[in-house]
Amino acid sequence: QQQVRQSPQSLTVWEGETAILNCSYENSAFDYFPWYQQFPGEGPALLIAIRSVSDKKEDGRFTIFFNKREKKLSLHITDSQPGDSATYFCAASDGEGADRLTFGKGTQLIIQP
Amino acid sequence: AQTIHQWPVAEIKAVGSPLSLGCTIKGKSSPNLYWYWQATGGTLQQLFYSITVGQVESVVQLNLSASRPKDDQFILSTEKLLLSHSGFYLCAWSLDNYAEQFFGPGTRLTVL
Repeated sequence: QQQVRQSPQSLTVWEGETAILNCSYENSAFDYFPWYQQFPGEGPALLIAIRSVSDKKEDGRFTIFFNKREKKLSLHITDSQPGDSATYFCAASDGEGADRLTFGKGTQLIIQP
Repeated sequence: AQTIHQWPVAEIKAVGSPLSLGCTIKGKSSPNLYWYWQATGGTLQQLFYSITVGQVESVVQLNLSASRPKDDQFILSTEKLLLSHSGFYLCAWSLDNYAEQFFGPGTRLTVL
């Protein structure tokens, strides 16, 4: 059973538009949700993270919206740039066992210029 | 500033041969260390974690082992590679439990 689900699998938006990447989870004990950005051939880079005590986290053009009741969160990328083209992973942790992060399968984002 | 280095960058090995991958963290004292595996185009699966020298915990069984011989070093190894071991191996670190994890550049392993 996949504990962290991401949708869509692939997303294409035009430069300047807002890209919305979705994530949902099964385990109610999850309370920390980082998002990672990965370019081909590179390790993932931590982009932004939220803890379940908050319903929104903003960092520049990147914003996480979190709905604890529905076990859903989304990453909004405003004013999308071609350099944002990458795979984005949503991950979750319940804080147990030295940060056992569970990752989703990722969303491949393509920004068309 | 912290730096994380993985070696080798890439490796092509034969089925049944041994393997050793390394990871070094500089600029942080006593970090938590992690090994992840990523299939091509796939998600990340945590394999091992270590919170101190000499102590390693296994998360999944993939006929691999890990060791932490020094505070800043984490080693992934096996005596006999399988085709299914092919993929991208990533080392990560965090300051302590319940903290952000930061990944290294990875090692691409191809088993033929």
